Amino acid sequence: GAGVSQSPRYKVAKRGQDVALRCDPISGHVSLFWYQQALGQGPEFLTYFQNEAQLDKSGLPSDRFFAERPEGSVSTLKIQRTQQEDSAVYLCASSHEGPEAFFGQGTRLTVV
Amino acid sequence: RKEVEQDPGPFNVPEGATVAFNCTYSNSASQSFFWYRQDCRKEPKLLMSVYSSGNEDGRFTAQLNRASQYISLLIRDSKLSDSATYLCVVKTGRRALTFGSGTRLQVQP
Repeated sequence: GAGVSQSPRYKVAKRGQDVALRCDPISGHVSLFWYQQALGQGPEFLTYFQNEAQLDKSGLPSDRFFAERPEGSVSTLKIQRTQQEDSAVYLCASSHEGPEAFFGQGTRLTVV
Repeated sequence: RKEVEQDPGPFNVPEGATVAFNCTYSNSASQSFFWYRQDCRKEPKLLMSVYSSGNEDGRFTAQLNRASQYISLLIRDSKLSDSATYLCVVKTGRRALTFGSGTRLQVQP
């Protein structure tokens, strides 16, 4: 399809386990964003890439969170030593030149 | 204080009703404003941009008051399919979009 694709759609991790979440943006979109959405809340900004450059990572909640986009296309959000408070939906969005962001369906992470 | 504040609702309205949502933002440097819609367990999608002069898209009207840092969304003739969470969104400078917590709307038959 032509939209933003995220995988896996669902992930259950044991506390302390490392996880990696993948995002395939819309082809040609320069900007890529990661958001975290807790139940009943709006998406909270985590980090932002323009091509391969990570321009803003001010929203990453701790140094256990790491994101990369090495070739300016696919991005991976990695969470090390997962904690229960990391349970949330992780949304990826991409945009081209305008301000509109196109979101993927998200990865629902449950830490048990 | 959150940068974008919204009444979480829920707003329960009958079909055909008119309903209005409000939102305030704290950063006076914010320059672009939007309403996104999010259905249950789905991703957010752009509903409409909000312009200073006010703008309308069918049954939906958005207004912006920069002096009061206030944004509104009016939905006329509500449909069952309008049931969703409506997210107020602002863009400030080169930063990523900032989302409010959303206002939940339930349109009842």
